Amino acid sequence: KNEVEQSPQNLTAQEGEFITINCSYSVGISALHWLQQHPGGGIVSLFMLSSGKKKHGRLIATINIQEKHSSLHITASHPRDSAVYICAVSGGGADGLTFGKGTHLIIQP
Amino acid sequence: DARVTQTPRHKVTEMGQEVTMRCQPILGHNTVFWYRQTMMQGLELLAYFRNRAPLDDSGMPKDRFSAEMPDATLATLKIQPSEPRDSAVYFCASARGGVVGADTQYFGPGTRLTVL
Repeated sequence: KNEVEQSPQNLTAQEGEFITINCSYSVGISALHWLQQHPGGGIVSLFMLSSGKKKHGRLIATINIQEKHSSLHITASHPRDSAVYICAVSGGGADGLTFGKGTHLIIQP
Repeated sequence: DARVTQTPRHKVTEMGQEVTMRCQPILGHNTVFWYRQTMMQGLELLAYFRNRAPLDDSGMPKDRFSAEMPDATLATLKIQPSEPRDSAVYFCASARGGVVGADTQYFGPGTRLTVL
């Protein structure tokens, strides 16, 4: 079973700062997902990637398959980015996700 | 705007009662997942289906939980009998799936279950 570790668990930053959240996993995967969950519970998929780098607006996700590591970056952070960011992986011929424990991000004005 | 829908959104029940949660996947999505979220365990996979056939239910307590897809537009998760430790938020997600695996998963709003 894949073990997914995220760091940091909690992160508080000032508006405008560059944010990095890290994710590592123990076993080879077919895809890595970054999810966002706001207070109140809804889960939104931000990225699904299996190699390289993806960018959407101020969000950038990268993955290094050899090192079994991914990062999520937020540029010019804003209070509305405050949420829990969850890393999840699929693999071994199965599409169900194995989740990290999440990073609780607070962006202060 | 296509969305995954789940009913009910909230359910409070007493221990021993049967609970049924329903999910309508996005039209055209052939892969449906059930996940559970608790404070202690976080998010975990319970089961998933492709083209209505169960592919993995290893995360589901078999003695009390059952998951089915009566048709392509409806997935159900049933708990009988319910126990207080089943209190959690249950999420359904759907995706397009094929030979190379499933695409991006779209999550429903969840069913918050409280078992007293």
